[in-house]
Amino acid sequence: EPEVTQTPSHQVTQMGQEVILRCVPISNHLYFYWYRQILGQKVEFLVSFYNNEISEKSEIFDDQFSVERPDGSNFTLKIRSTKLEDSAMYFCASSIIRTGTANNSPLHFGNGTRLTVT
Amino acid sequence: EDKVVQSPLSLVVHEGDTVTLNCSYEVTNFRSLLWYKQEKKAPTFLFMLTSSGIEKKSGRLSSILDKKELFSILNITATQTGDSAVYLCAVENQGGKLIFGQGTELSVKP
Repeated sequence: EPEVTQTPSHQVTQMGQEVILRCVPISNHLYFYWYRQILGQKVEFLVSFYNNEISEKSEIFDDQFSVERPDGSNFTLKIRSTKLEDSAMYFCASSIIRTGTANNSPLHFGNGTRLTVT
Repeated sequence: EDKVVQSPLSLVVHEGDTVTLNCSYEVTNFRSLLWYKQEKKAPTFLFMLTSSGIEKKSGRLSSILDKKELFSILNITATQTGDSAVYLCAVENQGGKLIFGQGTELSVKP
């Protein structure tokens, strides 16, 4: 079964450094998302992306964050200057169409990148 | 503010028991409600519910949605140790964004 793949699985970085988290969504999917989960907390929406532009973003997704789909397969999340509170598991997800418009189109999640900011 | 609340937060049962996990929500522009199972890493999809009163079943798992009372339940019958996981409820709004509950941590003892 096709799956969403994320790299790296774990990234350690120093405060103030830039990080890029990479995702390869399922190939025929059109909607792409980033979510994050701080240890012990809820999964939180960051941003959705469709047709090469951001569809919606949360208040967490400030100017330090950006997303890009540089080619036909990759979807990246960049954090320009990491802070300690950015430490979390970051999940990429994709769906073929907007979830809910068809009962068989749920969001598929990758295994996540655990980001540790020291 | 949109919110999804799950209960209980954690549950310990023995193999063979039946469990019911609860999810209530207040979300504007509701589109669907989804249940996911999270073991070590990625949430894996279980059910998507859009209509009230229609039970979805997959093996020992089943789920139903009540859009009038704004809740859903996930039932697991004849639990096994492999059912141990965090079960996440998420509500999708019309924009496609998922709002997650805090999860129910289920532990099934042999």
